[in-house]
Amino acid sequence: AQSVAQPEDQVNVAEGNPLTVKCTYSVSGNPYLFWYVQYPNRGLQFLLKYITGDNLVKGSYGFEAEFNKSQTSFHLKKPSALVSDSALYFCAVRDLKAAGNKLTFGGGTRVLVKP
Amino acid sequence: NAGVTQTPKFQVLKTGQSMTLQCAQDMNHNSMYWYRQDPGMGLRLIYYSASEGTTDKGEVPNGYNVSRLNKREFSLRLESAAPSQTSVYFCASSIGLFTGELFFGEGSRLTVL
Repeated sequence: AQSVAQPEDQVNVAEGNPLTVKCTYSVSGNPYLFWYVQYPNRGLQFLLKYITGDNLVKGSYGFEAEFNKSQTSFHLKKPSALVSDSALYFCAVRDLKAAGNKLTFGGGTRVLVKP
Repeated sequence: NAGVTQTPKFQVLKTGQSMTLQCAQDMNHNSMYWYRQDPGMGLRLIYYSASEGTTDKGEVPNGYNVSRLNKREFSLRLESAAPSQTSVYFCASSIGLFTGELFFGEGSRLTVL
């Protein structure tokens, strides 16, 4: 069975500092990985995805994520955080090997960027 | 460009009452989904529809029913609401089943007393 874990409930960072949100996954085949962001009282918005290819994926709003197969991780990063990046971030995974597998979301990580 | 539209945005029910959450998308997507969001539990899939005319159970289908009315619309019905169904409900759509980007509505906050 596939699973995804976001080990941190909350990440606090000062504006201008690097931001990292951690995600680890477990699949039996090859993973299809996503990051979504949720601003207060809004639906989730797509940030970026990884299927194959370059391990460093660039997405919206200056975010990027690094796929690490040996560590089964897909951490989200931003070199310089903004106060407006404060939101709830979700990692999601789908096992491409298993037919019929659905998209599984992590529990979410709240990011608070302080001025 | 509306995307995914959900109604109502807020609803308060008493235990045992029924209601239907409506969802419509204008992106000509084939697949649609209903998720619920509870604190610390991420999003859990209730039901999904791969294409018009098909529906399937997700992780937490008990107490819910769905209807894929046409390609645009996918409704979620609570026949006899329970306090455990207090949650924020999200409808989403995508071009293919669990492939590519999911587009989400803004959510429906349901409280069952």
